[in-house]
Amino acid sequence: GEDVEQSLFLSVREGDSSVINCTYTDSSSTYLYWYKQEPGAGLQLLTYIFSNMDMKQDQRLTVLLNKKDKHLSLRIADTQTGDSAIYFCAESSGSARQLTFGSGTQLTVLP
Amino acid sequence: DAGVIQSPRHEVTEMGQEVTLRCKPISGHDYLFWYRQTMMRGLELLIYFNNNVPIDDSGMPEDRFSAKMPNASFSTLKIQPSEPRDSAVYFCASRISGGAVEQFFGPGTRLTVL
Repeated sequence: GEDVEQSLFLSVREGDSSVINCTYTDSSSTYLYWYKQEPGAGLQLLTYIFSNMDMKQDQRLTVLLNKKDKHLSLRIADTQTGDSAIYFCAESSGSARQLTFGSGTQLTVLP
Repeated sequence: DAGVIQSPRHEVTEMGQEVTLRCKPISGHDYLFWYRQTMMRGLELLIYFNNNVPIDDSGMPEDRFSAKMPNASFSTLKIQPSEPRDSAVYFCASRISGGAVEQFFGPGTRLTVL
C-alpha cells in the first residue's frame, strides 16, 4: 500500500530557514500536502502541490516536488517561534482524495 | 461557517463501555472522513462517506468499530466494547466534491479507555 515517510524531529534557530523532507511511494498520487498540527488542535492545511508541478511558493512557504524520486520538501523562511508544531506530509489519490499521512515532523524553533 | 464540529472533545471511559463520537461536517460538504491518531500508528484513515454512504471502511480496525451517517449533517463513530488500545485522538474531516482539494479537520476527540 501507500507509504509516506518523514524524519521525526527538526530544531532550528529563530530567523533561520527550516526544511522538512518527505518521501512517498504511491506514483499515482495526484496531490501532496503539508498540514500543521499545534498541541491539542486539529490539522490545518498549510499548502498543497499538484503532482505535475515541481515548485509552489506561498509567502514564507516553498514546496519542492521531485516526482522522479518521490520526494517532497517544505521550506519555511524566517522561522518564528509560532511555527513550532508538528508538520505532516500527506498524499492523496483517487476521486475521494482520502489522505495517507506521514508520521509527522516535530519542528522546534529555538530563540 | 463554524467549521467541522466534534463532540465530545475529551472522553474517559472504562474498558468494556460503549463510546460514541460525534461529528458535524461543514454544511454543503459531501465527503466525510474519520481518522485516528496514535503514537504507534500515526494518523490513519478509518472510514469515509460520500453523500452519507460509506464508501471505504477498510481502515476500521475490527468489528467493535462502527460508523454511521444518518444525514448530511451528522456522523457517529461507535466503539463497543471499548478497549485500552482504542485510546487515541479521533478526527473527523469533511470536503466538498469537485475541484476542491482541501479536507477540513475538526479539533478531534481525545479518547482514553482505562
